[in-house]
Amino acid sequence: DAGVIQSPRHEVTEMGQEVTLRCKPISGHNSLFWYRQTMMRGLELLIYFNNNVPIDDSGMPEDRFSAKMPNASFSTLKIQPSEPRDSAVYFCASSLSRPDTQYFGPGTRLTVL
Amino acid sequence: SQQGEEDPQALSIQEGENATMNCSYKTSINNLQWYRQNSGRGLVHLILIRSNEREKHSGRLRVTLDTSKKSSSLLITASRAADTASYFCAIRDDKIIFGKGTRLHILP
Repeated sequence: DAGVIQSPRHEVTEMGQEVTLRCKPISGHNSLFWYRQTMMRGLELLIYFNNNVPIDDSGMPEDRFSAKMPNASFSTLKIQPSEPRDSAVYFCASSLSRPDTQYFGPGTRLTVL
Repeated sequence: SQQGEEDPQALSIQEGENATMNCSYKTSINNLQWYRQNSGRGLVHLILIRSNEREKHSGRLRVTLDTSKKSSSLLITASRAADTASYFCAIRDDKIIFGKGTRLHILP
């Protein structure tokens, strides 16, 4: 099994630009999670999907952030427009409902200049 | 929603010694999970303990859960350099919430 796949692994962009992060969950998993990790705030849950439907997006910082899951094998997290304070490592994770052990991707390190 | 709080925030021990990390939480849980994160990597699941369990083992790992005290501990026995990482507890009630982690450093 390839595990959770994220792309790109590194992204450097300028303030105001649109950023799109991509995730391919483990085949057969029905839950998908997007996290953001920074030194100051630790690991924050942004949004999670169950069976491709967004269940809880209360962690999404503001309207500049949006996430989609058009099918069971693909999800995107978009930031538009990006700001320097969005710089962080963004992780995608997937799981089954039972057990709910999460499998994390390698992360995307985003730097907004 | 609640968050597990790990203690200590950082821990340095000599290789071969045992490392103990603690996690406290505030409300009822379905299960509690421990994850490890090596520098620059994603989190890796270590062990899950259900609310009706008191202790679980996996290799050199031992996890305990005391629901009356709302706390859990992770013990790593005979530590190795490769155990250097951050360790997170994750609380599961209606969703999984991660703590801020304990940074463990194993000294050669």
